[in-house]
Amino acid sequence: SQKIEQNSEALNIQEGKTATLTCNYTNYSPAYLQWYRQDPGRGPVFLLLIRENEKEKRKERLKVTFDTTLKQSLFHITASQPADSATYLCAPTISSGSARQLTFGSGTQLTVLP
Amino acid sequence: DTGVSQNPRHKITKRGQNVTFRCDPISEHNRLYWYRQTLGQGPEFLTYFQNEAQLEKSRLLSDRFSAERPKGSFSTLEIQRTEQGDSAMYLCASSLGGDGYTFGSGTRLTVV
Repeated sequence: SQKIEQNSEALNIQEGKTATLTCNYTNYSPAYLQWYRQDPGRGPVFLLLIRENEKEKRKERLKVTFDTTLKQSLFHITASQPADSATYLCAPTISSGSARQLTFGSGTQLTVLP
Repeated sequence: DTGVSQNPRHKITKRGQNVTFRCDPISEHNRLYWYRQTLGQGPEFLTYFQNEAQLEKSRLLSDRFSAERPKGSFSTLEIQRTEQGDSAMYLCASSLGGDGYTFGSGTRLTVV
């Protein structure tokens, strides 16, 4: 069955360091992969999308890589700030005709310590 | 337009009662999705509309669940004969095309 694994339920890092979050998937081939941020009691907020033919994508302090051979995506936050503390969800996505349902991992809770 | 709006934000109901949630998507978005999220888990797909047509339903969506999107605008999700296992956050999202969903803040359902 399809499975998505995100590294360790919680990740604590010091302010200013780079946070690296991992998303591994098995038993399917996504056309693209999305990353979302979720704060407590709120819905997820879209951050970045990377397609299977792209190796890397950047947006401000965020960088995402997508390795379809390893079936893995890495999500980096450089120069992290306490305001980056949240749960980050990855969503490998299959393009299946009329529907593009997201399948989410369980998330990694990031805490940036001042 | 201020984004995806969901009402109510919180709902407490007794087991066996029916509940209905409403989602108002971003007006120009033709696609609308319902997800369910429990504590410590990622959102799980329930159903998907393109305009007014319900095109996909998850196996999670039992016969007690029904969703509508009349005229391709707002959507409702109804749960009949609620059970304690239905307690969760119900999230609605919309998109124009399939990329980069915009989620609402969700409706938290507690079945007592």
